[in-house]
Amino acid sequence: EAGVTQFPSHSVIEKGQTVTLRCDPISGHDNLYWYRRVMGKEIKFLLHFVKESKQDESGMPNNRFLAERTGGTYSTLKVQPAELEDSGVYFCASSQGRVSTDTQYFGPGTRLTVL
Amino acid sequence: QKEVEQNSGPLSVPEGAIASLNCTYSDRGSQSFFWYRQYSGKSPELIMSIYSNGDKEDGRFTAQLNKASQYVSLLIRDSQPSDSATYLCAVNSQWAGNNRKLIWGLGTSLAVNP
Repeated sequence: EAGVTQFPSHSVIEKGQTVTLRCDPISGHDNLYWYRRVMGKEIKFLLHFVKESKQDESGMPNNRFLAERTGGTYSTLKVQPAELEDSGVYFCASSQGRVSTDTQYFGPGTRLTVL
Repeated sequence: QKEVEQNSGPLSVPEGAIASLNCTYSDRGSQSFFWYRQYSGKSPELIMSIYSNGDKEDGRFTAQLNKASQYVSLLIRDSQPSDSATYLCAVNSQWAGNNRKLIWGLGTSLAVNP
């Protein structure tokens, strides 16, 4: 079974540009999460989809960030326009959604550098 | 005060010893607790989850939870050089619903010396 995949693995852009990150969850996983780790800081939750609906977007930093999950399959996270403080590693995770044990499986991450 | 606190380390132990990793959390209502391992440049990988007070054992790993003290720990017995990694503590406060938001500590770097 394929794991969570993310694309691209690295992205270097200039301040003001737009970047779109993609996440493909494990097949059959209804829950999809975005997290971000800024260098020297903790991993921070951004948002949580259940199928195509946003369950919790309390961690989204501001309206420059837009996440979508059309059709409840893959998700994209767009940053427009990018700022220097957006640099970091963006992780996507997915889970089946069972209450008893709901392991979040993480993708390899996208390292975003904003110059 | 950080929501989830861990000693950043590095924690250095000899091969075969017991490594003890600690984590405290501030939200007394937290219900679910997770230990993830992250190798350098890789993604976090779940090692243990624990939901009730007491100990939970899985192979060489034991998670311990004390909700009264707001404390969760991870013990690694017979430590191996391959256990050298950063160990991340993550906490969720509303597991019973459909809230799966994890709050993370900074992680503790563990080095197991041959």
